[in-house]
Amino acid sequence: DAKTTQPNSMESNEEEPVHLPCNHSTISGTDYIHWYRQLPSQGPEYVIHGLTSNVNNRMASLAIAEDRKSSTLILHRATLRDAAVYYCILRDYGSEKLVFGKGTKLTVNP
Amino acid sequence: DTGVSQDPRHKITKRGQNVTFRCDPISEHNRLYWYRQTLGQGPEFLTYFQNEAQLEKSRLLSDRFSAERPKGSFSTLEIQRTEQGDSAMYLCASSLRDRGTEAFFGQGTRLTVV
Repeated sequence: DAKTTQPNSMESNEEEPVHLPCNHSTISGTDYIHWYRQLPSQGPEYVIHGLTSNVNNRMASLAIAEDRKSSTLILHRATLRDAAVYYCILRDYGSEKLVFGKGTKLTVNP
Repeated sequence: DTGVSQDPRHKITKRGQNVTFRCDPISEHNRLYWYRQTLGQGPEFLTYFQNEAQLEKSRLLSDRFSAERPKGSFSTLEIQRTEQGDSAMYLCASSLRDRGTEAFFGQGTRLTVV
């Protein structure tokens, strides 16, 4: 399973943008980049995924480097409810399992 | 759509006892997954079903663990002769084959083995 590297923790202020980085230098051509987040005492929640192009949805944006060896999850305006552990995951197109690392714990300050 | 439901939410058991957890996926989701999460770690994949067929099992799933999905709807995860190392959060997730990418997780069953 290809690995990802994320900072252990990050802090942000409420209503400011947050950029969560992820390195995946061993990514293969068929690996999709997925982001999930886990709020305290909850199961993980899907955030966004992409392959090559940048992606936007109602929750966040995903910016993927041209060489695909890194990506950034962007929360445009952080709220207190965005405080969670964010996981960057590489998932092969044909694979059913998600391989989670330790993720980045995001703290949002009021 | 009430989401993925897991029961019980918490379970305390004595070492050596058997426990069984239930997962009700989102209706019409044909793929169901079990994960285990220990404190401070991300979830680890245990097994997955497509309809009633168990198609993949992790090496983490020892002989004491068994999972079933008899009618392709709800699933059960049984742990026999529990050990203290089995203490963890057990998470169930489901997805639609056609989507294939977004998994919906339940809130989990927290197991404590004393």
